[in-house]
Amino acid sequence: AQTVTQSQPEMSVQEAETVTLSCTYDTSESDYYLFWYKQPPSRQMILVIRQEAYKQQNATENRFSVNFQKAAKSFSLKISDSQLGDAAMYFCALYSGGGADGLTFGKGTHLIIQP
Amino acid sequence: DSGVTQTPKHLITATGQRVTLRCSPRSGDLSVYWYQQSLDQGLQFLIQYYNGEERAKGNILERFSAQQFPDLHSELNLSSLELGDSALYFCASSGTSGLGLNSPLHFGNGTRLTVT
Repeated sequence: AQTVTQSQPEMSVQEAETVTLSCTYDTSESDYYLFWYKQPPSRQMILVIRQEAYKQQNATENRFSVNFQKAAKSFSLKISDSQLGDAAMYFCALYSGGGADGLTFGKGTHLIIQP
Repeated sequence: DSGVTQTPKHLITATGQRVTLRCSPRSGDLSVYWYQQSLDQGLQFLIQYYNGEERAKGNILERFSAQQFPDLHSELNLSSLELGDSALYFCASSGTSGLGLNSPLHFGNGTRLTVT
């Protein structure tokens, strides 16, 4: 069985600063995909960034980037120049195909942006 | 807007009742996934359909069932409802049977189910 662990239930950052959200995972598959989703108070699930395990280069999407450490099974999300609109729950998710069990999600990190 | 449509947005019903949640995937997407989000269990994968066929099953209770119709919309049926079934139910779609960089999951806005 695959697992995703987000060890930070809540994080707080000042507006315009940088914050890193942690995620570790476990899977026995060699090829898999990792995702970060954002869930603002409107409760939509919004895809933030995605990474394939075979790609060494860390994915970036504007102010969002990841630090993917395959050996350590770590997939952290860095948000630069934090904005008030970044306040949300952030979920790390893993898909390793095989049994096609959909995405496995972590419990989430609640990100607070201090003005 | 993800392009995935879920109805209704809110549903309040009593224990023992049956409800149906509806989902229309993004145009062109063949896969539909159902997820349950509750405070204690987080986001749990329930079931996946691909082009009308059941593709994968997760933590779906026997009281719950789903189907995907020829026009690719999907319905999740919840019966003999219990208080613990109160949750946010998400539908998501993707273009292929599996997921990947070019075929991620796109979520609808969810249906909030309250069982009283």
